[in-house]
Formats: sequence, structure tokens, C-alpha cells
Amino acid sequence: LAKTTQPVSMDSYEGQEVNITCSHNNIATNDYITWYQQFPSQGPRFIIQGYKTKVTNEVASLFIPADRKSSTLSLPRVSLSDTAVYYCLVGPIWNSGNTPLVFGKGTRLSVIA
Amino acid sequence: GAGVSQTPSNKVTEKGKYVELRCDPISGHTALYWYRQSLGQGPEFLIYFQGTGAADDSGLPNDRFFAVRPEGSVSTLKIQRTERGDSAVYLCASSLVGGASRNTGELFFGEGSRLTVL
Repeated sequence: LAKTTQPVSMDSYEGQEVNITCSHNNIATNDYITWYQQFPSQGPRFIIQGYKTKVTNEVASLFIPADRKSSTLSLPRVSLSDTAVYYCLVGPIWNSGNTPLVFGKGTRLSVIA
Repeated sequence: GAGVSQTPSNKVTEKGKYVELRCDPISGHTALYWYRQSLGQGPEFLIYFQGTGAADDSGLPNDRFFAVRPEGSVSTLKIQRTERGDSAVYLCASSLVGGASRNTGELFFGEGSRLTVL
């Protein structure tokens, strides 16, 4: 499984755009990039997933360069409620295999008023 | 609701005791996972079920840990002779495997069972 590297922590003020970059130099051809969000005392929650270029949903955007060796999660205009740990995961979608998703330590985002 | 349900939410036990943690996945989800999370760490994979069988149990730390899913729905994680180092939040997740091309393999997590071994 491709190993991921992301910053341990980040701070941001409310209303700013936050970009969290994840490195995955050994990503395989059939690997997708998935981000999860975790609040204290809760299980992780799926945010967004992509394979290449750009993906956008109602919560975030995911930017993936052509070489796919990194990806950037972009959270527009963060609020205090976005304070959480964000995990970047790389692996095949379940349709194609049984590899369990491996979580790293994640990035702890603190949003300040 | 229709989410993943885990019981108990909190369990305090003494060293050496036996513990069972239950997970009720989302109806129709054939894949079920157990993860363990210690303070300040990301979830650590323990075991994965596809239907009734354990497809991957490579994350179980030792033979004191065992999990079952006899009817392909509810799963029980069993820990024998608990040790203080087993204290953690045990997370269960389920997902829909296969099917439509738009399936992302998204994991739906429960809120976890917090185990404290004294």
C-alpha cells in the first residue's frame, strides 16, 4: 500500500481557505485518494475521493496533479466546526480488491475565531 | 438511525478479564472492519470481513484477539485476558462492496467502543 505523509497540524482563522497537502510517492495505478474527517469521540467520516485532476463536492475540493504523487484537500472558508483531524488514504476501491484502508496519523486542523 | 451501531459505548474492565464488543453494520453492507485507535493516533486496522468470513485478519495484534461475524451481519470482537495496553477506542466500519461503478468504497464508521483496562 502506498504510504502517505501529511503535516501533523495546521492552524487557520475562520473564513480562510485551508489547503492540506498529502504526499504519496508510491501510489499505484489502481489506487484512489480518499480523505476522511474525524471529530473527537466520533468515527472518521468520508469527505471526498479522487483519482486524478480535480474533484469538488459540497464540502471540499481535491486537487491531484498529473503524476498523482501528491494531493491537496481544499476547505473553503473554514469555520470553527471544521476543527478536526483530516486523514489522507491511498488504496484501491473495493470493487477491485480486499486491501484494507490504512490510516496514518492525520493532520490536526485547528480553526481559530 | 441507519448508521453503524456499536455497543457498549464505554467499557471499563480489570486486567485479565474477557471483553466482547459488538458492531451492528449498515443493512446490506457486506464488508465489515474493525479498527483500534489510541489517543493521538490514527485508526489501526485489525480485521476485515467479507460476508461471514475474515478476509484479512493481519492486523490482530495477538491470539488474545478474535472476531466473528456468524451470519454476515453483526460482528463481535472478543478480547481475552485483557491487558492495560488494550485500552483504546475500538471502531467498527462497514462498506458496500462491488456493485455500481460509482461506489467509492466509502467506510461508514460507528462512534466506537471505548475500552479501559485497569
